[in-house]
Amino acid sequence: AQSVTQLGSHVSVSEGALVLLRCNYSSSVPPYLFWYVQYPNQGLQLLLKYTTGATLVKGINGFEAEFKKSETSFHLTKPSAHMSDAAEYFCAVRGYGQNFVFGPGTRLSVLP
Amino acid sequence: ETGVTQSPTHLIKTRGQQVTLRCSSQSGHNTVSWYQQALGQGPQFIFQYYREEENGRGNFPPRFSGLQFPNYSSELNVNALELDDSALYLCASSSRQGAMNTEAFFGQGTRLTVV
Repeated sequence: AQSVTQLGSHVSVSEGALVLLRCNYSSSVPPYLFWYVQYPNQGLQLLLKYTTGATLVKGINGFEAEFKKSETSFHLTKPSAHMSDAAEYFCAVRGYGQNFVFGPGTRLSVLP
Repeated sequence: ETGVTQSPTHLIKTRGQQVTLRCSSQSGHNTVSWYQQALGQGPQFIFQYYREEENGRGNFPPRFSGLQFPNYSSELNVNALELDDSALYLCASSSRQGAMNTEAFFGQGTRLTVV
């Protein structure tokens, strides 16, 4: 069985500050890992994904994430927050079952 | 734009009624998955269709059913609606190659309110 936990249901940062959103997963098979962003009243947009290969993954809008197998983590970072980054962020794992298992989400607020 | 379209965008139904939600998958994609996202929660997997057959199901009762058509579009049907069915329903489109699916693209969702 697979599961995802996201530490912190709400994270607030100042504009220009580092963004760190935490994700830990549990998977009995090598995982494919994803981060999605959801703006109000919209669907999910893929930020980045890890399948195989390089463990540091770069995505859109300046976000990146590092797969750490020993820590079963896939934390999302961005060096400098922008007001437009305010949204809900979901970490997800996808295994051989082909469906996504999502975490509960973290709401990111960016303060001026 | 992901090329995945869902209709309607919003609807309101009464408890006990039936509802049908629709999803048009991205061109070239043969797999459609449906997810339920309750307010303040992450999406939960309902089921997946591949080449017109159900190919995996989450922990949802049989009153949640679906169809996939030859053009790979899909429907989600929910019978005997309950208040807890109020949620955003998301459709995800992908292409199955061998044992694995390619990247999935999500539609904008249908917001269902049951009163």
